[in-house]
Amino acid sequence: KQEVTQIPAALSVPEGENLVLNCSFTDSAIYNLQWFRQDPGKGLTSLLLIQSSQREQTSGRLNASLDKSSGRSTLYIAASQPGDSATYLCAVRPGANNLFFGTGTRLTVIP
Amino acid sequence: NAGVTQTPKFQVLKTGQSMTLQCAQDMNHNSMYWYRQDPGMGLRLIYYSASEGTTDKGEVPNGYNVSRLNKREFSLRLESAAPSQTSVYFCASRANRAGELFFGEGSRLTVL
Repeated sequence: KQEVTQIPAALSVPEGENLVLNCSFTDSAIYNLQWFRQDPGKGLTSLLLIQSSQREQTSGRLNASLDKSSGRSTLYIAASQPGDSATYLCAVRPGANNLFFGTGTRLTVIP
Repeated sequence: NAGVTQTPKFQVLKTGQSMTLQCAQDMNHNSMYWYRQDPGMGLRLIYYSASEGTTDKGEVPNGYNVSRLNKREFSLRLESAAPSQTSVYFCASRANRAGELFFGEGSRLTVL
C-alpha cells in the first residue's frame, strides 16, 4: 500500500521568508500528485496538480516539483504571507480511483 | 459557481441511529468520492463512484452504504451509527482520470 509522509508536521516562519514543504511516497508508480490547502474547519482547496510525466507546476508564488524516481515532491512558497497560514496536504494517485493522502504540514506565517 | 455542496454541515447522532449525508456537484464531473478525515490519520477513502451507475468500496467501507443517484448526486448512508464513525466527512469529484480532485466543505458528524 502506498504510504505518504509529510515532514515536518508543523512549521513556523516569519513573513516574507521563502519556504519548502516536503512530501515523500513509497511507491513511485503514480499517476499524478496533487497539493492541497486546508484552512481550519474547511474543505480542501486544490493548489497544484502534477501529472507523472511532468517535473513541476507553478501557480503564482507556488511551485511544486515531482521526482518520481526518488518518491519525492516539494511545494515551494515564495515570499510567505500571513494569509498562507494553513495546513498543506499532498496526495498521490497510484491508479484509477484513489488518492493516498499525507497527514499534512501545518504552516504558520508570523507577521 | 457552487462546485461541490454537502449537507448537512453538522450532525449529532446517538449510537444506532441512521442518517444520510448528501453531496451534489455542478461541474458535470464523472467521478465522485466520499472520504473521512480523522486527526493523525489523514483522509481515507470510504466509497467512490467512477461514473454514473457504478459504486465501489474504498479503504474503509464498513458501516457505510452509498448511492449514486444521478451524475450530480452521491449520498453516503450510515445505517446504524457507532462512536467510531465520529469524523469529518468530505465529498469530492473529478472530471476524469487525469483531473484535479475538488472537495466540498465537509460534514462534521458526532456519534454519542
